[in-house]
Amino acid sequence: NAGVMQNPRHLVRRRGQEARLRCSPVKGHSHVYWYRQLPEEGLKFMVYLQKENIIDESGMPKERFSAEFPKEGPSILRIQQVVRGDSAAYFCASSPGLGSSYEQYFGPGTRLTVT
Amino acid sequence: GENVEQHPSTLSVQEGDSAVIKCTYSDSASNYFPWYKQELGKRPQLIIDIRSNVGEKKDQRIAVTLNKTAKHFSLHITETQPEDSAVYFCAAPPRRDDKIIFGKGTRLHILP
Repeated sequence: NAGVMQNPRHLVRRRGQEARLRCSPVKGHSHVYWYRQLPEEGLKFMVYLQKENIIDESGMPKERFSAEFPKEGPSILRIQQVVRGDSAAYFCASSPGLGSSYEQYFGPGTRLTVT
Repeated sequence: GENVEQHPSTLSVQEGDSAVIKCTYSDSASNYFPWYKQELGKRPQLIIDIRSNVGEKKDQRIAVTLNKTAKHFSLHITETQPEDSAVYFCAAPPRRDDKIIFGKGTRLHILP
């Protein structure tokens, strides 16, 4: 009964490089959320995806950030040309259904450090 | 709107005393209110949730109350223990059956 898996757990990138963060949801869950957490701060919603569909990306920066959840494989959060301000913990969560009525199960997070 | 306000941001209580954390939300149609606990360096974990058709829910030392008229809900922890020290987040959807928006968190310190 594997929970939400995220990899890598720690990622170091130089400014200008690309970061790819992966999230494998709980088996059978078809909905994935991505959140960003800065040190000592709360969880900021970024994007909400269903398989092959972006439901809500209102929290995503308009440039450099993209997310996908393909029919097969994990969900990917991609950050192009990283800057120091992208350093944060990125959590994904999965749920079995659409919308807020379903509990979200969080992964362990990926801690991104941009040097 | 998409606003979830959480207070206080920091709370220190003596071990054995009670702790109360409050949150307000903006949309009267919001229907689901979870509370998450996050220990240092760990993932957030759901500790209790309440739906809009009930006013209170209890699970051992933890309870949540909901006041739909005032649009606020509270987390109550009784007989606090050292392992209760963590950051607690409330959340609510900006619209019924939408994504959830998290409050900024409350750092709870249990003093020996």
